[in-house]
Amino acid sequence: QVQLVESGGGLVKPGGSLRLSCTASGFTFSNYYMSWIRQAPGKRLEWVSYISSSSSYTIYADSVKGRFTISRDNAKNSLYLQMNSQRVEDTAVYYCARTIPERSGYYFDYWGQGTLVTVSS
Amino acid sequence: SYELTQPPSVSVSPGQTARITCSADALPKQYAYWYQQKPGQAPVLVIYKDSERPSGIPERFSGSSSGTTVTLTISGVQAEDEADYYCQSVDSSGTYVVFGGGTKLTVL
Repeated sequence: QVQLVESGGGLVKPGGSLRLSCTASGFTFSNYYMSWIRQAPGKRLEWVSYISSSSSYTIYADSVKGRFTISRDNAKNSLYLQMNSQRVEDTAVYYCARTIPERSGYYFDYWGQGTLVTVSS
Repeated sequence: SYELTQPPSVSVSPGQTARITCSADALPKQYAYWYQQKPGQAPVLVIYKDSERPSGIPERFSGSSSGTTVTLTISGVQAEDEADYYCQSVDSSGTYVVFGGGTKLTVL
C-alpha cells in the first residue's frame, strides 16, 4: 500500500533553516509528481510547493517563494523541502502528498502523517 | 488572490443528509476536490474531479457541480463522518493550488 513518511521537523529560531524529508513506498515514486502542503495550528490547509516526476518543473506558493526549495531523489524514493529564512508564520504541520495532474490543475490522492515545524525564539 | 468559500460549520443528525458547499468564480472551468480530515490525522481524498469517488470511500459520499458552486453530499450521515472537510481547486491559470477554509461537520 502507498506510504509516505515525513521526518525532519522540529524547533527552529526565526531566520533559521530546516530540511524536511519524505520517504515513499508502495508505488513507483519516479512516476509521480509530489507536493508539500502545510497546516498551521487550527488553520486551513495551505499548499506550499510541487515538483514534477523528473524534477524538471517546480512551483511555489508566493508565501515561500525564494525561501523554500523542493527537491527529490528518485533513486532513494525521497522528497525534500529545504526551508531557509524561516518566519514565525511558517509554524505548521508539513505534509507530503502524492500529486495527480489533471486537466488544468492537480490534486493529492495520498498524504503522509505530517511533521511539525515550530519557528520560535 | 483566488479564494474558495465554504461555510464554517454544518450540523446534521445521524441518518440525515449533509451538504457542504464550496464557491468560487473559476469553478466552472476547474475541477474541485474534497478532503476529509479528522482531528490529529492527515487529510483523506473523498471526491476528485467534482464527482468521482476514490476506491475505498463509502458510496454515501458524492459530489456535484453547478455553475460557481460545488457540493459535497453525505447521505445517511454516520457518527464517524464527523470531521473537517476541505474543498480544493486551482486558480484560473491552473498553476496555484487553493484550499477552502474548511467546514466542520458536526453529527448531533
